[in-house]
Amino acid sequence: NAGVMQNPRHLVRRRGQEARLRCSPMKGHSHVYWYRQLPEEGLKFMVYLQKENIIDESGMPKERFSAEFPKEGPSILRIQQVVRGDSAAYFCASSPGQNAGWAEKLFFGSGTQLSVL
Amino acid sequence: AQSVSQHNHHVILSEAASLELGCNYSYGGTVNLFWYVQYPGQHLQLLLKYFSGDPLVKGIKGFEAEFIKSKFSFNLRKPSVQWSDTAEYFCAVNDNNAGNMLTFGGGTRLMVKP
Repeated sequence: NAGVMQNPRHLVRRRGQEARLRCSPMKGHSHVYWYRQLPEEGLKFMVYLQKENIIDESGMPKERFSAEFPKEGPSILRIQQVVRGDSAAYFCASSPGQNAGWAEKLFFGSGTQLSVL
Repeated sequence: AQSVSQHNHHVILSEAASLELGCNYSYGGTVNLFWYVQYPGQHLQLLLKYFSGDPLVKGIKGFEAEFIKSKFSFNLRKPSVQWSDTAEYFCAVNDNNAGNMLTFGGGTRLMVKP
């Protein structure tokens, strides 16, 4: 079991470009979560998705950020027109469902470090 | 909204010293509590968790944590640290109003000197 796979590990973008971060959940997991870690801060929840559905996007910035988890393929976190303040580590986690005990089966990826020049 | 505080941002210890990392949360209702560890360059790993029952929870690698409801605390402890414990430690809380969302503390960077 390869675990939660995120790519790329490091992504460098210039201001105004688009960033696309990918997350492949663990085998058998149908729920994906994205968290952002700004420098010297803890992880902050961004969005929770199930296949083809956004369940909770209460932590997503209102503009430029979007996320999807298609029926086939990885979950994508897209940041349009990046700014320096978007520089952060973006972590993905997955779980098999949302039933009681979901957090015990929550596994994190190694993260994508986004640097905006 | 839930908030989680980790008061020590950086801790430096010598090997064999005892460790206690503080974690306090704000929500007064039913909570699930977690400690995660992130070794350099690696993903977050679950150290231990508390859902219910015995408030003294034992995790992997000799770590334990005690849930004290009256103090809204879930401090992490280890009697004798090793150099390999050098990592960043995150406390996280899930409360029953937040659905499938964890609220993390700001993290504590632990450096253990050999």
